[in-house]
Amino acid sequence: DIQMTQSPSSLSASVGDRVTITCQASQDISHYLSWYKQRPGKAPNLLIYDASILEAGVPSRFSGRGSGTNFTVIISSLQPEDIATYYCQQYDNLPVTFGGGTKVEIK
Amino acid sequence: QVQLQQWGAGLLRPSETLSLTCGVSGVSFSGYYWSWIRQSPGKGLEWIGEVNHSGSTEYNPSLKSRVSISVDTSNNTFSLKLSSVTAADTAVYYCTRQRFGTSWVFDFWGQGTLVPVSS
Repeated sequence: DIQMTQSPSSLSASVGDRVTITCQASQDISHYLSWYKQRPGKAPNLLIYDASILEAGVPSRFSGRGSGTNFTVIISSLQPEDIATYYCQQYDNLPVTFGGGTKVEIK
Repeated sequence: QVQLQQWGAGLLRPSETLSLTCGVSGVSFSGYYWSWIRQSPGKGLEWIGEVNHSGSTEYNPSLKSRVSISVDTSNNTFSLKLSSVTAADTAVYYCTRQRFGTSWVFDFWGQGTLVPVSS
């Protein structure tokens, strides 16, 4: 199975800050990477797929980049509603696998 | 609007069979793949397997010997069975839709069902 490693596991930032979350795959996955946002007690919500394509309705302050083994999701200006845990997921090979999550909090 | 509504038994004893069903509304059942994913504090998010409208399935090899996913197109539902459960199967189970044209990207999720396994 492909291992997905996210960093940091948690972060604290102020409203308006630029936030970067990274995800590393244990092998080349091309651009087959998605990002999800999960609020406490809720199901994950798709943000980005194919590494950089925003799902419909996702605010433009979110962006994704990367290919191969290294990927990032950036929140250009953190908002209170962005408080959540973020997960990456590879879908280059079955079984699809997820990162361990990055919890984003407001400072 | 696409909605996935899931239901099934809650608390299970070790060795019992987990059984969950997901009802799909607001979209044609055909043409999509439908997956089950679970989330536990110990193992995080874990893909269990998928089914399409014709009943074709793929399973996570780590669970394949115990998992069965089936579809009922007449009722727009798909179901999960996981046999011989242990405490390690305690998790929140989600049904999901795979985004059209992008395999294994999950764009709609059910509300989740917590399934504790305890003696």
